Amino acid sequence: GIQVEQSPPDLILQEGANSTLRCNFSDSVNNLQWFHQNPWGQLINLFYIPSGTKQNGRLSATTVATERYSLLYISSSQTTDSGVYFCAVVASGTYKYIFGTGTRLKVLA
Amino acid sequence: DTGVSQDPRHKITKRGQNVTFRCDPISEHNRLYWYRQTLGQGPEFLTYFQNEAQLEKSRLLSDRFSAERPKGSFSTLEIQRTEQGDSAMYLCASSSGLGISDTQYFGPGTRLTVL
Repeated sequence: GIQVEQSPPDLILQEGANSTLRCNFSDSVNNLQWFHQNPWGQLINLFYIPSGTKQNGRLSATTVATERYSLLYISSSQTTDSGVYFCAVVASGTYKYIFGTGTRLKVLA
Repeated sequence: DTGVSQDPRHKITKRGQNVTFRCDPISEHNRLYWYRQTLGQGPEFLTYFQNEAQLEKSRLLSDRFSAERPKGSFSTLEIQRTEQGDSAMYLCASSSGLGISDTQYFGPGTRLTVL
């Protein structure tokens, strides 16, 4: 089945710093989403982005489907950005979302 | 729009007992997903419904697990003869399934502890 790997696995930033999170996937996909799981466990959808670039405030994402990767950019990080970031993909021909290994982010005040 | 709700939020049971969880998706969302998440891992897909039809089920799911969505609205997930390895957070998500965006909205989850 499709493999989804994220890097880095852990990241510690000072408040105000920028970061780039990466998601690599091993096969062609129909859908790709980025999620933030906050310290209380709630999963929040950040982007639905099977291809192209989107921006939402301090966050933006780019997916290059032909090269099988997606990037999530966080600018001017805040302590509330702490948590785990997951990408999730759906392989062609299925409805099954496969979540990546996650990037655990901690933003220090 | 009140979001995805799940009930109960916490369940403690003894090994061998049956448990049932309920998920109420966002109204008019025709897609519904169940996931399981253990500590330190990402959510693991269990099953997918489009309206009342169960279109995909994980091969990892044993016969002790069953899910229904009888009228295409709420869904239930039942685990029979629970085992300690079933202890996890069970998550439900829904999406509208409309065209260009299939954004998933997650509920708060049901935390299951099997003693």
